Amino acid sequence: EVQLVESGGGLVKPGGSLRLSCAASGFTFSSQTMNWVRQAPGRGPEWVSSISSRSSFIYYADSVKGRFTISRDNGKNSVYLQMNSLRAEDTALYYCARGVGTVDDWGQGTLVTVSS
Amino acid sequence: DIQMTQSPSSLSASVGDRVTITCRASQGITNFLAWYQVRPGKVPNLLIYAASTLQSGVPSRFSGSGSGTDFTLTISSLQPEDVATYYCQYYNSAPFTFGPGTKVDIK
Repeated sequence: EVQLVESGGGLVKPGGSLRLSCAASGFTFSSQTMNWVRQAPGRGPEWVSSISSRSSFIYYADSVKGRFTISRDNGKNSVYLQMNSLRAEDTALYYCARGVGTVDDWGQGTLVTVSS
Repeated sequence: DIQMTQSPSSLSASVGDRVTITCRASQGITNFLAWYQVRPGKVPNLLIYAASTLQSGVPSRFSGSGSGTDFTLTISSLQPEDVATYYCQYYNSAPFTFGPGTKVDIK
């Protein structure tokens, strides 16, 4: 069974930083593209970033480019999202997600709240 | 970047009704179109990919069609557990844009 467990969310002031982590199990992590997708309160899903299996290809939404950095450690079956210069509009539930383009599996999400 | 629109933004139908949701891409995307269901308080669930291929485990009352710029999601017989918001998504190349959603509830 695929399991994706996010951690690292919390309350942070505007301009602050957070690092999200996702621990994966139940599949061959090192061969899978991983993603972060967020959903703000009352809004739909928004794709944030993707990283290919060997980190050769990395993509970001324009809304986070230059502020967020995705990375992975295949030895630890984990993917990360370093979030800097956080803004109020980054407030959302952040999901770790598996899939190439489409999202086949989702974690339960970790809540990020950016507020003074 | 490709933009996705959906209509209607919400609808109310009776149990057993046929429900159709439309998604339109700002330019042709062949069939790189997925549909997701988001029930209240739940994690999104992939229903359909490649415009018309049903994800494993999804009830057969769900179907998708279309290609190019215009796509539809159909629920052939609405059930109470189908109350949710439905999103289309373009997924061929980044950014993998979601549509704004269609909220479905029971009349």
